[in-house]
Amino acid sequence: KNQVEQSPQSLIILEGKNCTLQCNYTVSPFSNLRWYKQDTGRGPVSLTIMTFSENTKSNGRYTATLDADTKQSSLHITASQLSDSASYICVVSARDSSYKLIFGSGTRLLVRP
Amino acid sequence: DAGVTQSPTHLIKTRGQHVTLRCSPISGHKSVSWYQQVLGQGPQFIFQYYEKEERGRGNFPDRFSARQFPNYSSELNVNALLLGDSALYLCASSLGQGQGNTEAFFGQGTRLTVV
Repeated sequence: KNQVEQSPQSLIILEGKNCTLQCNYTVSPFSNLRWYKQDTGRGPVSLTIMTFSENTKSNGRYTATLDADTKQSSLHITASQLSDSASYICVVSARDSSYKLIFGSGTRLLVRP
Repeated sequence: DAGVTQSPTHLIKTRGQHVTLRCSPISGHKSVSWYQQVLGQGPQFIFQYYEKEERGRGNFPDRFSARQFPNYSSELNVNALLLGDSALYLCASSLGQGQGNTEAFFGQGTRLTVV
């Protein structure tokens, strides 16, 4: 069964600190992996998209890694800011006829002053 | 250029009623997908439309239906509302047919509360 699991479920860090969010998936055949940021009550906004051949991708203070062999990805946030408080959702696309998006449940991050 | 727009932003309905949610994709995008997001969970796929035809359907009852118009805007209809239908309904638009082989842009959602 195609699944995406994220950890931790929630995380509290102090402003200025770094953090790393984890994503494990069992989606096959794999097409791409995306990280989205979702503010409360708003739609998800794309941070990165990585294909099979990409190991790392950065978007400002956000750096995503992908290990297609172990089917793991991480999102590293550097020098966190209060505005980073949001849910971060890992999404994997299956390379089948529908190219369906499979969503994780997200990690809820709270950055405190 | 406007992003994905959804209306209304908030809605309160009574059990048994029906509801229509609307989505306008980014100009030039021909694919619209609908998702249901219950509080604390990731979005669940409901429907995908491309070029006015249904291209995918998630595991939702027949009370849920949708359509796409010639201008590529879309409506999601839910009949006989249940309390469990309370959720954030998200619309995503993309250029290509598949949900996952092109960039997907989400609207800010419609918050539906069923009482």
